[in-house]
Amino acid sequence: GENVEQHPSTLSVQEGDSAVIKCTYSDSASNYFPWYKQELGKRPQLIIDIRSNVGEKKDQRIAVTLNKTAKHFSLHITETQPEDSAVYFCAAKGRLGNEKLTFGTGTRLTIIP
Amino acid sequence: DAGITQSPRHKVTETGTPVTLRCHQTENHRYMYWYRQDPGHGLRLIHYSYGVKDTDKGEVSDGYSVSRSKTEDFLLTLESATSSQTSVYFCAISASTPDTEAFFGQGTRLTVV
Repeated sequence: GENVEQHPSTLSVQEGDSAVIKCTYSDSASNYFPWYKQELGKRPQLIIDIRSNVGEKKDQRIAVTLNKTAKHFSLHITETQPEDSAVYFCAAKGRLGNEKLTFGTGTRLTIIP
Repeated sequence: DAGITQSPRHKVTETGTPVTLRCHQTENHRYMYWYRQDPGHGLRLIHYSYGVKDTDKGEVSDGYSVSRSKTEDFLLTLESATSSQTSVYFCAISASTPDTEAFFGQGTRLTVV
């Protein structure tokens, strides 16, 4: 089955600097890669996603890149703000017929004011 | 927020007793998932469903069973609860096309004493 590895497990960044979180996946058939943000005591919520036919996607301060050959994808947050402090999860989902959504172990991001 | 509710939100139960958690959706989405969340392990898939009466195991399915007799309900049963099953359980739903967002319920905090 799919295995998703996520690094680092914790990350502290000065406010205004950039943060990068990296994930690798094992199943080359996976074709959908979402990123979720979870604030303390809340449910995970989607912040950005990318499909396997796209190499990069950007939404304001957040961007995701995908390298299908190397089977890794990354989340980039620029101009970080205190409200970006949360746990971030990457995930990978298989094609039709194998729709398991497998998550990484999470990154706790702390923005230092 | 997507129409997804979990019940109960909190439960304390004794070791050896059966427990059923319910996930109810009003979105008519095809896919439903049960995850458990534990510190250091992220979100681990227990079981998922790709249609009425169609279910498959995830990575941590031992000790759990599921049923989906109608589109809107996905039940997770702990056949004989153990302390290792103390966790926060999340249900998620997603639409018919595989590369679409999964929405999470509010979570159920289960404590087995």
